[in-house]
Amino acid sequence: DSGVTQTPKHLITATGQRVTLRCSPRSGDLSVYWYQQSLDQGLQFLIQYYNGEERAKGNILERFSAQQFPDLHSELNLSSLELGDSALYFCASSVGREGHDEQYFGPGTRLTVT
Amino acid sequence: LAKTTQPISMDSYEGQEVNITCSHNNIATNDYITWYQQFPSQGPRFIIQGYKTKVTNEVASLFIPADRKSSTLSLPRVSLSDTAVYYCLVGEVVLNFGNEKLTFGTGTRLTIIP
Repeated sequence: DSGVTQTPKHLITATGQRVTLRCSPRSGDLSVYWYQQSLDQGLQFLIQYYNGEERAKGNILERFSAQQFPDLHSELNLSSLELGDSALYFCASSVGREGHDEQYFGPGTRLTVT
Repeated sequence: LAKTTQPISMDSYEGQEVNITCSHNNIATNDYITWYQQFPSQGPRFIIQGYKTKVTNEVASLFIPADRKSSTLSLPRVSLSDTAVYYCLVGEVVLNFGNEKLTFGTGTRLTIIP
């Protein structure tokens, strides 16, 4: 158990819909990272927040957005969903703000868009 | 971006030493090299990290040559439970903007044969 929690575990929705994925980092960690993992794309870094502020951006689509709240939990919002958005979405956390810090990954949310 | 390249898959017998190499020709001065292990339907788990030369911990060793254009993860005396996907992560820091791009390799699927 990494100490990072993600909800929900599974999510099934239809194209065009909007969903919100939630992540609670390990106690004491200030950074939260979001990743997308699909079968044909591997593990793709989406975005990082550090202490409430956006710190780094990866391959995140404009239809996706994220935020980190004062209590340090984070939410990833996915809108206008397409079939290709079906994937495992992982959240990770680390103590510091550097991406090379050891990251602790949550169990993931499996999103299925039908 | 520091693109990384790894073998897609490897097989090894139990009890053998396994070496997985990651190429990162465009690695930047401030980049660290980190390896993660991922089991099916679980989030990746940190194994080891290094900047140069050799690093060893209780589960693995990491060899980084002087030019840092590649790195080799060494797993001693593997067991069936080491069957997983292994990712090489190189962190790129753009100092001017504090914007860090994280690049995961494609991952190496390691299968341990009894």
